[in-house]
Amino acid sequence: GAVVSQHPSWVICKSGTSVKIECRSLDFQATTMFWYRQFPKQSLMLMATSNEGSKATYEQGVEKDKFLINHASLTLSTLTVTSAHPEDSSFYICSARVQMNTGELFFGEGSRLTVL
Amino acid sequence: AQKITQTQPGMFVQEKEAVTLDCTYDTSDPSYGLFWYKQPSSGEMIFLIYQGSYDQQNATEGRYSLNFQKARKSANLVISASQLGDSAMYFCAMREGRSGNTPLVFGKGTRLSVIA
Repeated sequence: GAVVSQHPSWVICKSGTSVKIECRSLDFQATTMFWYRQFPKQSLMLMATSNEGSKATYEQGVEKDKFLINHASLTLSTLTVTSAHPEDSSFYICSARVQMNTGELFFGEGSRLTVL
Repeated sequence: AQKITQTQPGMFVQEKEAVTLDCTYDTSDPSYGLFWYKQPSSGEMIFLIYQGSYDQQNATEGRYSLNFQKARKSANLVISASQLGDSAMYFCAMREGRSGNTPLVFGKGTRLSVIA
C-alpha cells in the first residue's frame, strides 16, 4: 500500500486564490520531504526540500513567498500555492525517504493543479 | 550541465520482446545511487530498481535489470518480456552523496510504448 499520501489529487481554482496541498507519511516519520513540480510532458523538477521544524530550502528560481512550505510535524508537510495564476498549473508531487539501505524515495500520488 | 541524460524521448517495443532504455549520468562524487522510476498516465511514480555506485553486480528486480557501466557512467534499464502494461514514462534518477536527505535529480524521461 501507499506509504506517502497526498491530498487533494485534483484541484481547480480561480486565478488569485491560494491552494494548499498536503503530503503525509504513513506509518513512518519523515524529517525531510521533497516537493517536485512536473509540467506536461516534462520531467520532475525539484522545488524545495521540506525540513521538519525548520525553514524549507528552495531551489534557485522558486519563489519562496509564492510556494509556502510548512513541515510542522514528522508526518505532514504542506505546500501552499499563494495567489495562483494559470502558469502555476502543474502536477505537484511530494516524496519522502523510507528505505534506509537504498535511500529509495517513495512518492505521493501527486496533485494536479489547474488555475483558471 | 545535465546530471542525468536520457537520449530516447520515445521507444517502441513488441510485446514479449526485451527493450533497453538508455541513461547516462554525470557526477564527481564517488558515492551515488542510481534509480529508475515508472510513471504511468495516472502520474504516480513507481520505483523499479536501484544501483549503488559501490555495488559490484548489476541490480535485478524481476523483469527489470540495470546495466551498470561505471567507467562509461551509464545505467541503462533493461525490461525483459515486455507487457502491454509496461507502456509508460520511465525516468532515470540519481542521488549524489551518502546522505539519504538529498533529493533525486531526474532525467527527461523516455516514453515506452509496447505494441501487441
